[in-house]
Amino acid sequence: SAVISQKPSRDICQRGTSLTIQCQVDSQVTMMFWYRQQPGQSLTLIATANQGSEATYESGFVIDKFPISRPNLTFSTLTVSNLSPEDSSIYLCSVNPLGLGLNTEAFFGQGTRLTVV
Amino acid sequence: AQRVTQPEKLLSVFKGAPVELKCNYSYSGSPELFWYVQYSRQRLQLLLRHISRESIKGFTADLNKGETSFHLKKPFAQEEDSAMYYCALGGSEKLVFGKGTKLTVNP
Repeated sequence: SAVISQKPSRDICQRGTSLTIQCQVDSQVTMMFWYRQQPGQSLTLIATANQGSEATYESGFVIDKFPISRPNLTFSTLTVSNLSPEDSSIYLCSVNPLGLGLNTEAFFGQGTRLTVV
Repeated sequence: AQRVTQPEKLLSVFKGAPVELKCNYSYSGSPELFWYVQYSRQRLQLLLRHISRESIKGFTADLNKGETSFHLKKPFAQEEDSAMYYCALGGSEKLVFGKGTKLTVNP
């Protein structure tokens, strides 16, 4: 299993500013995943963060808007830049300690609820 | 492309009644299917996976490749089952979620 600590748990930000979300895992993992959960919508994968290489972004998400750092095997940050009200959402960090493609369990942080005013 | 459809956004049943949460998927490869649950004020967590073929908290789900479905069932719903349920389709690169079904079990 994996225990994920994600912070902040919530924040209210002014439009045009940025918010950086931190995700700390209690064990070393190869890949960390960042999701967005908009009101009434599903969890949408933003990007996959691998240690030592650039993150892989999903269609519709770009590095300039969502820069990600992955300095080691237990930590990652997601920054949401140049905030607009449309960025108001819950952002989730997730890991699959045993790897994808093996019917293994994904673990999630408690989420960061971002409100942009 | 991986795609998951949960047709019901909301589902309300009475305690003791059977419940079925529908999930259909689209995937060209061999599917890995999961049900995740989020109880109020708790983080998202795994409920069950198709490969385990087990019953968790009275819930079961059978993978039907012909109908590309993975419906979640429980014969007698309990109030503590009230939660948000997400069907998810896994692969070697990512996990794709449906939009979720909010289940409410009324007393």
